[in-house]
Order: sequence, then C-alpha cells, then structure tokens
Amino acid sequence: DSGVTQTPKHLITATGQRVTLRCSPRSGDLSVYWYQQSLDQGLQFLIQYYNGEERAKGNILERFSAQQFPDLHSELNLSSLELGDSALYFCASSVAILTEAFFGQGTRLTVV
Amino acid sequence: DAKTTQPPSMDCAEGRAANLPCNHSTISGNEYVYWYRQIHSQGPQYIIHGLKNNETNEMASLIITEDRKSSTLILPHATLRDTAVYYCIVRAAYNNNDMRFGAGTRLTVKP
Repeated sequence: DSGVTQTPKHLITATGQRVTLRCSPRSGDLSVYWYQQSLDQGLQFLIQYYNGEERAKGNILERFSAQQFPDLHSELNLSSLELGDSALYFCASSVAILTEAFFGQGTRLTVV
Repeated sequence: DAKTTQPPSMDCAEGRAANLPCNHSTISGNEYVYWYRQIHSQGPQYIIHGLKNNETNEMASLIITEDRKSSTLILPHATLRDTAVYYCIVRAAYNNNDMRFGAGTRLTVKP
C-alpha cells in the first residue's frame, strides 16, 4: 500500500458524459501528479500540482481539467467523454518536487 | 522529446542478476536519473534515483557512468516477482522537472 488513495477504482460511463476522479495523497505530500495509461500503452503525463498550484502540464486535453485543493487532495475532471478516453488513470504524490513519487492503484475508466 | 533510450525487452534467469541499461546521452548537469517499475497494471513503484554517484538500496543498485550519459539498474538476485516494465526517467532539478515515462524495458524473469 503506497498510501495514495484513488477513488473510484472502477468507473463505467457513456460517451459525452463527465466524470471526476479523486486522489488523496500520502500524508504530508505536497505534490500530486496525474497520468493516463491506455490499454497496452505507456504512461502519459497529464499534469502536476505542488501545494495547490499547477507546476507542469503535459499532454492533457482541453476536455480535461484538474485542481489541487487546500487539503492537498486532487481531482481530475474529464468531460465530453469519448471511447478513446477509456484508460487507467493514475495519481502519484511526493513530498517535494524531486523526491520519489508514490502511485495509487489507479482508476479504471471505461467509456461505452 | 525522448530523454532516455531503453531496450524494449529483456529476459533474466531467476536468481541471477538483472542488468537493465538506459541511455541518456543528452542529460544535463542538474538532471537526476530515476527508475520505476510497473508490475502488470498496478501503479508504478519507485526503485531508486541518483545524480552522479552510484546508489544502492534494499531493492537495487544504480550505476551511473562517469560521463553520466548512461546508467544501469541492477537487481542483484532477480525473482519471478521482479517481472515488470522498468522505466528510466531523467528529471531536472529545477524548471521543467515533471516526471515523464518512456516506453521502458519489459523484464521477464524466467524459472
């Protein structure tokens, strides 16, 4: 158990819908990362937050948005969902920018 | 831009050392080398990281060449549970230090 909690573990929704994925970082971790991993694909970096502020942005679609709240948990919002958005979404957290990151077990999103 | 190059796959016999290479020929002075692994579809797991000195922890050893253009992750006594995709990542110490994964090396440990 990495200490990073992601909810829900599984999510099935229809095309065009909007979902919110939640990440609770390890206690004391200030940085949160989000990744997308499609079937048999690599981990695509989406976005990183540090202490509530956006730190880096990767290949995140405009239909996707994220934020980190004052209590340091983070949410990834996915809207106008398409079949191709079906993937595992991972959240990771770290104490600081360069310290090792710990990953949650992911949310498996299926868009039908 | 790909910062690292790794072989797509490797095999290793159980009980033997697994040596996973990584090329990062464009690494700059303030960039660290990190290694993670992902077992099946689980969340990636941190293994080790280093700047220029060799590093060792309970999981593995990291050997970085003197010119820092390549490194090797060593699993001293591979077990079947070490079968995973291993990722080598280069991260800057300051700006643009997000953590981007490449394709990694799929290590298969065989009995």
